[in-house]
Amino acid sequence: AQSVTQLDSQVPVFEEAPVELRCNYSSSVSVYLFWYVQYPNQGLQLLLKYLSGSTLVESINGFEAEFNKSQTSFHLRKPSVHISDTAEYFCAVTTPGYSSASKIIFGSGTRLSIRP
Amino acid sequence: ETGVTQSPTHLIKTRGQQVTLRCSSQSGHNTVSWYQQALGQGPQFIFQYYREEENGRGNFPPRFSGLQFPNYSSELNVNALELDDSALYLCASSLDGGSSYNEQFFGPGTRLTVL
Repeated sequence: AQSVTQLDSQVPVFEEAPVELRCNYSSSVSVYLFWYVQYPNQGLQLLLKYLSGSTLVESINGFEAEFNKSQTSFHLRKPSVHISDTAEYFCAVTTPGYSSASKIIFGSGTRLSIRP
Repeated sequence: ETGVTQSPTHLIKTRGQQVTLRCSSQSGHNTVSWYQQALGQGPQFIFQYYREEENGRGNFPPRFSGLQFPNYSSELNVNALELDDSALYLCASSLDGGSSYNEQFFGPGTRLTVL
């Protein structure tokens, strides 16, 4: 069975400061990894994903995440945050390939709050 | 191109009642997955429908059931509502059911409150 652990339920940070949201996963098989963002009163939006290839993946709004197989981690980072980054962030995992259902396993989320 | 839409946006029911939630998939997508997101938690997979057939199910009791229609829209039905069913219900559409390579696009969700 697969699982995802997000170690921090809340991360407060000042505007323009760097941030890291931590994510560890558990799986006996290879994985696809995702970060989703959920703005207040909205659904989930895919922020970035790791499927294969380069272990460092980037989003269009300055976030990046690095897949570390040995540490089973996929931490999300941004060098300088903005007020608009205030949201809940979910790390997620799924099994590559074709199965009976391509279900996504989500972590419990990290609430990122930006202070001016 | 229209994204994933869900209705209603909010719903209040009492214990023991039944509820139906609706989801319209993104144009061209033939697969709909449903997730339950309780307050303060991550979404949990309920089940997936692919070409009108259930294509996998999470750890939810049989009183959670669904349908998918020929136009690939979908319904989630919950019978005998319990207080713990209060949650945000998300649907996500994608191409070709079991392929995890294809991105799932999420709707805005339906907020269900059970009193």
